[in-house]
Amino acid sequence: NAGVTQTPKFRILKIGQSMTLQCTQDMNHNYMYWYRQDPGMGLKLIYYSVGAGITDKGEVPNGYNVSRSTTEDFPLRLELAAPSQTSVYFCASRRRVERTEAFFGQGTRLTVV
Amino acid sequence: QKEVEQNSGPLSVPEGAIASLNCTYSDRGSQSFFWYRQYSGKSPELIMFIYSNGDKEDGRFTAQLNKASQYVSLLIRDSQPSDSATYLCAVIDAGGTSYGKLTFGQGTILTVHP
Repeated sequence: NAGVTQTPKFRILKIGQSMTLQCTQDMNHNYMYWYRQDPGMGLKLIYYSVGAGITDKGEVPNGYNVSRSTTEDFPLRLELAAPSQTSVYFCASRRRVERTEAFFGQGTRLTVV
Repeated sequence: QKEVEQNSGPLSVPEGAIASLNCTYSDRGSQSFFWYRQYSGKSPELIMFIYSNGDKEDGRFTAQLNKASQYVSLLIRDSQPSDSATYLCAVIDAGGTSYGKLTFGQGTILTVHP
């Protein structure tokens, strides 16, 4: 039982490049989330999903896209990377909407140069 | 008003003291509240959850919830240097168009000095 797995752990992108951050969970959780965390700051919600095929924007969605074709996977796509997207990205999942904790992946440290 | 707001830090307490962390939230219908601890360079980890008004105790940690005031707090008794971390308050959106959204506060950095 691996929990929430994120890949890659580290990545350096050049301005204008694109990439996909992968997130997979093996707990059959319906709810999945993508957050970014800038140095010394809290977690800002980028996108979230309440089930396969259903996604919604969070607080800071601009510059990102997501898809949820299966329960297990929730990839985050960065198009045309910008220095402002330099951050640590966390994926999380929860079993149901109420009274369940979120489990986090180990994070992806992304630098855009 | 921010959806979830924590008391500004950083907070510094001596070893053995009580650390008090506070959080307010804007969605009056929220039902689930969480406190996470995050060490530098690591993922957040759950330390407490609370769903009902009143106090909930777990070892040295006590969470307090007041739904009427839209306020949740975390007390850490007998603080230890190993408690030094960032503490994050999180709230679930209970309904409407953002049902299921999990929102975090900006975090409070706690330092426990010997």
